[in-house]
Amino acid sequence: NAGVTQTPKFRVLKTGQSMTLLCAQDMNHEYMYWYRQDPGMGLRLIHYSVGEGTTAKGEVPDGYNVSRLKKQNFLLGLESAAPSQTSVYFCASSYSPVRGLAGGRGNEQFFGPGTRLTVL
Amino acid sequence: AQSVAQPEDQVNVAEGNPLTVKCTYSVSGNPYLFWYVQYPNRGLQFLLKYITGDNLVKGSYGFEAEFNKSQTSFHLKKPSALVSDSALYFCAVRDTPMNAGNMLTFGGGTRLMVKP
Repeated sequence: NAGVTQTPKFRVLKTGQSMTLLCAQDMNHEYMYWYRQDPGMGLRLIHYSVGEGTTAKGEVPDGYNVSRLKKQNFLLGLESAAPSQTSVYFCASSYSPVRGLAGGRGNEQFFGPGTRLTVL
Repeated sequence: AQSVAQPEDQVNVAEGNPLTVKCTYSVSGNPYLFWYVQYPNRGLQFLLKYITGDNLVKGSYGFEAEFNKSQTSFHLKKPSALVSDSALYFCAVRDTPMNAGNMLTFGGGTRLMVKP
């Protein structure tokens, strides 16, 4: 199993450009997440999905859109990139709460290797 | 609302000495607590978790963590540090009332430096 994979690994954009980050998982997880990691701020949740065709906002959703057309894929889009979106982006996945320990709330998240994005 | 604090930005320890990385949390119900490790240019790797039961939880690579409900803490420990343990460590919490999306809240991270 490849686990959680992310494409691309690195990207440099100019302000105003758009791009899409792809996350794929082969663990048949229902839930998927997009985080950004900034120095000293830990990980902050951008958007998440509880199943195919459903998405929801996290803590810092502004400037991002997501889509979950297939269970195994979760796309993060930047329509008009800004320098404030320079960050490292991580995708994660987990089983839903109906499976696993303690009603599923004990399920850990599995993370991808990250995408380093610089917006000039 | 749930929150996590990691009060130390960096912890320095000599190889072979015991290490502790601190974490405190705030939740409205009973917590589910997690530790993750991040090596340079890599994603987060799960180390261990506390769900219920024994307050001392053992995880990967010889790490353990102690859940202390009265002090709302979940400190990560290892009896004898290795240079290869040098990495960024994150504590995370999930509250027991089901939050939409089963979301985790992460602390800001603590950089562990183990010197030979």
